Amino acid sequence: QTVVTQEPSFSVSPGGTVTLTCGLTSGSVSSSYYPSWYQQTPGQAPRTLIYSTSTRSSGVPGRFSGSILGNKAALTITGAQADDECDYYCLLYMGGGNVLFGGGTKLTVL
Amino acid sequence: QLQLQESGPGLVKPSETLSLTCTVSGGSISSGSFYWGWIRQPPGKGLEWIGSVYYSGTTYYTPSLKSRVAVSVDTSKNQFALKLSSVTAADTAIYYCARVDSYYYVDVWGKGTTVTVSS
Repeated sequence: QTVVTQEPSFSVSPGGTVTLTCGLTSGSVSSSYYPSWYQQTPGQAPRTLIYSTSTRSSGVPGRFSGSILGNKAALTITGAQADDECDYYCLLYMGGGNVLFGGGTKLTVL
Repeated sequence: QLQLQESGPGLVKPSETLSLTCTVSGGSISSGSFYWGWIRQPPGKGLEWIGSVYYSGTTYYTPSLKSRVAVSVDTSKNQFALKLSSVTAADTAIYYCARVDSYYYVDVWGKGTTVTVSS
């Protein structure tokens, strides 16, 4: 059974750039998987950041960008801020109406 | 602005059926461009897709839960519902309802409701 993989944790300095990735245990992620990205702060519902690989959701700052890097989907945060410290999840369309979340990445800004 | 609100019991006994409803306001559930989905998050863990329904009644379920899940839609009430049978403590989670765009992403989230499975 294919699993969607994400780094469990990542650290970035304030003002720095970080790239989180979203891969598959079997195969490569392409735009055909319609990767989307979500941000979740403790106690809150997730917030949609990116959809269809690289389209920013309404109101999302330009420092968040999405792409395909090699065989994975990627979320890049440029100029990280303290309130970017939270959990990030990717979601992939696996075909046949099925979608699958990655396990999430806990981002620390320090 | 479209809003989603989950409702239902916060406590369910083991082996019973968990039932939740999501009420859609500020828009029609019969919009042909969207699916309506359920997502859950166990305490301290990540997000898990449960399933989704189109206004016509077409459903999609995550394979690991397929034998226990039913998602339905009531267009007259502008609501959709989740039923999860034979629950155990592992089904304890925050349950979110969501609007799912035709490009397979969530564009509107409910605030979530906590369901605890315990006797």
